[in-house]
Amino acid sequence: EVQLVQSGAEVKKPGESLKISCKGSGYSFISYWIGWVRQMPGKGLEWMGIIYPGDSDTRYSPSFQGRVTISADKSISTAYLQWSSLKASDTAMYYCARMAVAGGTDAFDIWGQGTMVTVSS
Amino acid sequence: EIELTQSPGTLSLSPGERATLSCRASQSVRSSFLAWYQQKPGQAPRRLISGASSRATGIPDRFSGSGSGTDFTLTISRLEPEDFAVYYCQQYGSSPHTFGQGTKLEIK
Repeated sequence: EVQLVQSGAEVKKPGESLKISCKGSGYSFISYWIGWVRQMPGKGLEWMGIIYPGDSDTRYSPSFQGRVTISADKSISTAYLQWSSLKASDTAMYYCARMAVAGGTDAFDIWGQGTMVTVSS
Repeated sequence: EIELTQSPGTLSLSPGERATLSCRASQSVRSSFLAWYQQKPGQAPRRLISGASSRATGIPDRFSGSGSGTDFTLTISRLEPEDFAVYYCQQYGSSPHTFGQGTKLEIK
């Protein structure tokens, strides 16, 4: 079964760092782009960026460039989203998702279950 | 960056009725790289349509997508109770692969 399994919910304080993960299984992890999508409470979906685990080619939305870092460790089929200094406005559900076509651009066909990040003092 | 505008924001219909959801892009979407997703409360989004009109595996044929260029439509021919949810369009023809703001389909 093709699936993405994300790390568990996090509660952090402003200024703290955080790295959340997304582990792929059931397919060739290095061959498909993985993306991250933010959903703030009660709001819509926001595309943050994508990474190609095969060569770590990464693209960011201008809205998130410099605020987060997307990375991947192909040896353990895991993608990451990290912050160096969290803000309260980072409170949201974060989804990872896989693009449907190997090596190319496509819609997201497989989604992780989401990781809720809460930032509060 | 391509901006996607979905309309209406909320659509109130009854089971059995036909739903028409619109997604308009601020510039032409390359190769009709336009997808539709359904999201229910507490769940991750689910892909319905990609390439503007191709249904994903397992999606009922009451869901159909159409359009090209800047204007796209998701049609649900006969609403079932499980279809009431929020629907998002997304373009993946140019980075960033933006989403629309969503249309909430609610029971009338």
